Amino acid sequence: KAGVTQTPRYLIKTRGQQVTLSCSPISGHRSVSWYQQTPGQGLQFLFEYFSETQRNKGNFPGRFSGRQFSNSRSEMNVSTLELGDSALYLCASSFSGTDYEQYFGPGTRLTVT
Amino acid sequence: DQQVKQNSPSLSVQEGRISILNCDYTNSMFDYFLWYKKYPAEGPTFLISISSIKDKNEDGRFTVFLNKSAKHLSLHIVPSQPGDSAVYFCAALFGNEKLTFGTGTRLTIIP
Repeated sequence: KAGVTQTPRYLIKTRGQQVTLSCSPISGHRSVSWYQQTPGQGLQFLFEYFSETQRNKGNFPGRFSGRQFSNSRSEMNVSTLELGDSALYLCASSFSGTDYEQYFGPGTRLTVT
Repeated sequence: DQQVKQNSPSLSVQEGRISILNCDYTNSMFDYFLWYKKYPAEGPTFLISISSIKDKNEDGRFTVFLNKSAKHLSLHIVPSQPGDSAVYFCAALFGNEKLTFGTGTRLTIIP
């Protein structure tokens, strides 16, 4: 079974731009969660999608948004990028949304200059 | 407010010795705890977990201890091997809430 894939793996953007990251979950998994990892902050939960609906949301500003398609693939969008948005963005998928059964992708490294 | 804390950002241990990674939490409602391991350029992978009704769970070289009264858990790796060099995250769960992760500890095993 193929694992969770994320594209692109690396991205460099300029302040003020917007960016879209993509996540393809493991086949059959309906839940996709997104996390931001920064040094000193660990992994912070952004949001979770289940069957195309946002089911949970973390404490991030409205510049961070996401969506999920009928094939469970998910995209995350960040508008008006700030320097502090530089981070590793991880997505994780699970069949039912149970967190202790989730599998992580390799992440997208976003650098904002 | 960091509800799950890993106060040691890094740890170096000689190969063959015991590695002990620590994690403290503040929310007494957490009822399930997990450890993840992360290599560079890869996502975190699940390592071992423990329910709050237990105080110890063992899986091969890995043992997790939970001290509920102290709100403290630790991961023991015995014996430590070079392949154990990675960043370790502890995480806590309450009911259907999302996982709350610690900040991570970078473990380096010295050959």
